[in-house]
Amino acid sequence: GAGVSQSPRYKVAKRGQDVALRCDPISGHVSLFWYQQALGQGPEFLTYFQNEAQLDKSGLPSDRFFAERPEGSVSTLKIQRTQQEDSAVYLCASSYRGGNQPQHFGDGTRLSIL
Amino acid sequence: DQQVKQNSPSLSVQEGRISILNCDYTNSMFDYFLWYKKYPAEGPTFLISISSIKDKNEDGRFTVFLNKSAKHLSLHIVPSQPGDSAVYFCAAQGGSEKLVFGKGMKLTVNP
Repeated sequence: GAGVSQSPRYKVAKRGQDVALRCDPISGHVSLFWYQQALGQGPEFLTYFQNEAQLDKSGLPSDRFFAERPEGSVSTLKIQRTQQEDSAVYLCASSYRGGNQPQHFGDGTRLSIL
Repeated sequence: DQQVKQNSPSLSVQEGRISILNCDYTNSMFDYFLWYKKYPAEGPTFLISISSIKDKNEDGRFTVFLNKSAKHLSLHIVPSQPGDSAVYFCAAQGGSEKLVFGKGMKLTVNP
């Protein structure tokens, strides 16, 4: 596809369950980013990949959050033992390369933890 | 501590008039600034960007101005159209690859 694709669009899980969110970046984009957006706030950085290498994971809120991009294209964000405070929209973005290049966002996954 | 601030939560303008959206930042390491537009239930859409070596960048109806000494940037939309009604986010980058976003501002353009 032409844009960043995320799935599922909506996910409801019970507290304590594990969830996996998928991101398919724009073809040929080297850099991939995950952001978390709470209601009424701007997106907040979680982690960044350049190809398959995770170069920055400083924004991951706890060790329950894990991201991977094993082949340098599709990425998965996994949240283990979900808590209610994990409820948010999770956005994925990609850019052609790092540096001063715009990041292009997918439509996000809205995660609700009951 | 918010490094990127959009102090006005909302703005309402008449169709055809100018919309001016403001953004302030505190981190001197920021050297690249972007504006995104967001409709409900969609991801942010990139609008326009500016590097710190410039003070103005124009793309059609959208112009971004950067005042480095004041750590301030603004987005001008002329003329405003009803389809411009959305939430606008200011974002900054510098010293790392991540974007730092403001909280957003809701623009309403009335027909």
